[in-house]
Amino acid sequence: AQSVTQLGSHVSVSEGALVLLRCNYSSSVPPYLFWYVQYPNQGLQLLLKYTSAATLVKGINGFEAEFKKSETSFHLTKPSAHMSDAAEYFCAVRPLNAGNMLTFGGGTRLMVKP
Amino acid sequence: DGGITQSPKYLFRKEGQNVTLSCEQNLNHDAMYWYRQDPGQGLRLIYYSQIVNDFQKGDIAEGYSVSREKKESFPLTVTSAQKNPTAFYLCASHRGPSGGYTFGSGTRLTVV
Repeated sequence: AQSVTQLGSHVSVSEGALVLLRCNYSSSVPPYLFWYVQYPNQGLQLLLKYTSAATLVKGINGFEAEFKKSETSFHLTKPSAHMSDAAEYFCAVRPLNAGNMLTFGGGTRLMVKP
Repeated sequence: DGGITQSPKYLFRKEGQNVTLSCEQNLNHDAMYWYRQDPGQGLRLIYYSQIVNDFQKGDIAEGYSVSREKKESFPLTVTSAQKNPTAFYLCASHRGPSGGYTFGSGTRLTVV
């Protein structure tokens, strides 16, 4: 079965520092990959997605993610953290031949220190 | 603008009562999903529906029921059989193979 692992349930960075949130998936065939952001008491919002086109995907709010097949990874980065980036981030994966179902990682809470 | 509307945003239930959470979408999506989210935990799938008049159990369906009589609507009933219903509930819909899910803003259910 498809699975996705987010390393680090909590990540803390200083404002202006690099943000790196890690996501690894298990699949022999590169799947579709997604990153979502959730602010307190809200639903999830799509940040970006990888659908077998460019390996470096740019999303909203200055975030980007790079698909690395050799490492089965899809880490999320942002060069300079802003206080408004504090939220929970979820990585999700869907195999190419498994219908519409997404499998979500356990989430990473990003804290931004002033 | 198209989207998913969940109502109410906050819901309080007495023990032993059934409550129904509403989820409506105007995105013309076929597939709809219900997730439960507890503090510090990820998303757990309760039920999903790929098409009208059909739905499937997810990982934690016990104590919940759903219906899908219309494409736009996928209500979730939390029954008295659900022993620990206090949680944040999220509804989502899906467009196509390469698209992601669109989520509603959630309903926070509290048992009092």
